[in-house]
Amino acid sequence: GAGVSQSPSNKVTEKGKDVELRCDPISGHTALYWYRQSLGQGLEFLIYFQGNSAPDKSGLPSDRFSAERTGGSVSTLTIQRTQQEDSAVYLCASSYSPGSYEQYFGPGTRLTVT
Amino acid sequence: QQPVQSPQAVILREGEDAVINCSSSKALYSVHWYRQKHGEAPVFLMILLKGGEQKGHDKISASFNEKKQQSSLYLTASQLSYSGTYFCGTESGGYQKVTFGTGTKLQVIP
Repeated sequence: GAGVSQSPSNKVTEKGKDVELRCDPISGHTALYWYRQSLGQGLEFLIYFQGNSAPDKSGLPSDRFSAERTGGSVSTLTIQRTQQEDSAVYLCASSYSPGSYEQYFGPGTRLTVT
Repeated sequence: QQPVQSPQAVILREGEDAVINCSSSKALYSVHWYRQKHGEAPVFLMILLKGGEQKGHDKISASFNEKKQQSSLYLTASQLSYSGTYFCGTESGGYQKVTFGTGTKLQVIP
C-alpha cells in the first residue's frame, strides 16, 4: 500500500515569508508525528496528533509554528515569518496508534530559508 | 528529555561486531530503534517494551534493561548495508510521544 507522503519535497523561501508543509499519513493510522532534522543532527520532536487532537505540542519551537490535522488524516505544519534557523528537513511519521507502535516516516520536506 | 546514545560514531570492517547504547534519565515504557541511511527517511528496526525483553532481527538484536533505563543494539557480523545512523527513541509511560537520541553514525568498510 501507499506509504507516508509529504509535499513539497523541497521548499526555498525568503526570510519572513510563511510556509505550509503537508503530510499524508498511511490510511488507518491514528497517530501522526512531526519531527525536524537539521543537517547532520538528530530527530527533534515537534508535535504529535491522536486523531485530530494534539495531546503534545511541547516541541514546537515558538508560536510561529502551528499544525493541524483534519479528518484524522492529512496534516499541515505552518511556519509563519520564517527565519534562517528554520532551515531543516521536516519529517512526518504515522503509526497505527501513539506510543509503542512502529512509526513509518515520509521522505521529508527540505526547507531552505534565504 | 533526550536519551543519550554512545558511541557517537563507529567504523567497522565487514564481519565485525558493534554495540550501540541508549540510556535515559526517565523511567521507560518502550524503546524504539531506527536506522537512517544518508538522504533517506528513518526505517524501523524494532521496539522493545518494558519487562526487560530482548529481540532479534536477522543479525541485529537488542536488549532493554528497564531497571537501568538502558537499551543496547547489537550488530553482529556487520555488512556494508548496515552503514547509516542509528537512532534510539524512548517512550516514558503515559506520554506516548517518542523522544529520539542524537544518533550513532556507523560506517562499515570492506
